[in-house]
Amino acid sequence: NAGVTQTPKFRILKIGQSMTLQCTQDMNHNYMYWYRQDPGMGLKLIYYSVGAGITDKGEVPNGYNVSRSTTEDFPLRLELAAPSQTSVYFCASSPAFAGTRKETQYFGPGTRLLVL
Amino acid sequence: AQTVTQSQPEMSVQEAETVTLSCTYDTSESDYYLFWYKQPPSRQMILVIRQEAYKQQNATENRFSVNFQKAAKSFSLKISDSQLGDAAMYFCAYRSGTSGTYKYIFGTGTRLKVLA
Repeated sequence: NAGVTQTPKFRILKIGQSMTLQCTQDMNHNYMYWYRQDPGMGLKLIYYSVGAGITDKGEVPNGYNVSRSTTEDFPLRLELAAPSQTSVYFCASSPAFAGTRKETQYFGPGTRLLVL
Repeated sequence: AQTVTQSQPEMSVQEAETVTLSCTYDTSESDYYLFWYKQPPSRQMILVIRQEAYKQQNATENRFSVNFQKAAKSFSLKISDSQLGDAAMYFCAYRSGTSGTYKYIFGTGTRLKVLA
């Protein structure tokens, strides 16, 4: 299993540009998440999904959109990029049955985004 | 709303010694899960240890153990026989046990330096 993969690893955007951060998991997990990590800070939840076709907002959803057409993929769309969106973005997934001993989140390697 | 606080931005430990990282949280729930994640320079988030709030016994994973004090809402991580590879950012995280709640809340992290 490749686990959770993210592309690209690094990207520079100009203010006002748009882009999509890709996230794919091959563990058949129902739950997927997008976080951002600003320098020196913890992770903040942007959006999450509990299954294909179902998404919901996290703490900091403004300026982002998501979709979940398949179990495997959970892309994050940035519209009209702003310097405040400069951050490292992590995608994560977790198994369907929460609360068991094996329940945890599996993280991708992250995408570093710089908006200038 | 739940919060997670890590009051130690940085800690140092001599190789082979023991270090304890602190984490406190605030919640009105009785059912929840607590986690410690490690983030090395590669930025990959790695699960270190997990604790279920309904279990009184402290979780242990090899050299890593926790001191879970539910009444005090404290969840500290003890690393024994510290190794150079333990150097990383450590994040404490909270997850509600309420059915239908899938969000994790992360602290701001503690940077651990291991001195040779």
